[in-house]
Amino acid sequence: EVQLVQSGAEVKKPGESLKISCKGSGYSFTGYWIGWVRQMPGKGLEWMGIIYPADSDTRYSPSFQGQVTISADKSISTAYLQWSSLQASDTAMYYCARPLVSGTAISWGYWGQGTLVTVSS
Amino acid sequence: SYELTQPPSVSVSPGQTASITCSGDKLGEKYACWYQQKPGQSPVLVIYQNSKRPSGIPERFSGSNSGNTATLTISGTQAMDEADYYCQAWDSSTVVFGGGTKLTVL
Repeated sequence: EVQLVQSGAEVKKPGESLKISCKGSGYSFTGYWIGWVRQMPGKGLEWMGIIYPADSDTRYSPSFQGQVTISADKSISTAYLQWSSLQASDTAMYYCARPLVSGTAISWGYWGQGTLVTVSS
Repeated sequence: SYELTQPPSVSVSPGQTASITCSGDKLGEKYACWYQQKPGQSPVLVIYQNSKRPSGIPERFSGSNSGNTATLTISGTQAMDEADYYCQAWDSSTVVFGGGTKLTVL
């Protein structure tokens, strides 16, 4: 069974750094892209970027380029999303997802349970 | 940048057919997919490659894509189908989501 298990909720202060994780299991982690999606409170889905764990090829949405860093450690089947300096506007639910089909990034068939990040002074 | 436009809300009576549209420039030349998201839950893929249903998705969910518009159709809508629905496409190595449509079953 394919599973994406994300790290737990975080409460941070503005200016702090953060790294959240997404561990894949039940499939070949290196054979599929992993994507990150932001959902601000009461708002829609926003694509942040994707990474191909086999070679760490990473693509960012223009809206998030330079704002976050996406990485992966294929030895432990885990992808990461990190911030160097959080802002209150980063408060949101963050989802990782995997495409339905290997080697593509078109349709995201598997989703993690989400990680709620709250940034408040 | 590429944009996908959805109506903010659609209402349907139980047992009737609901149609949710998604518009984008030459969208019919791309693959469109649809996600269902219920409150407090992660999104679920209900249609991919314009009209295919993933395993476990009821047959009442169908999709089409032509010209500038993709459409998600829910036949015999049930109360459990009340949710937010998002269309999504892939353009220039970028994942693009529509703004979402709240489907109300009343």
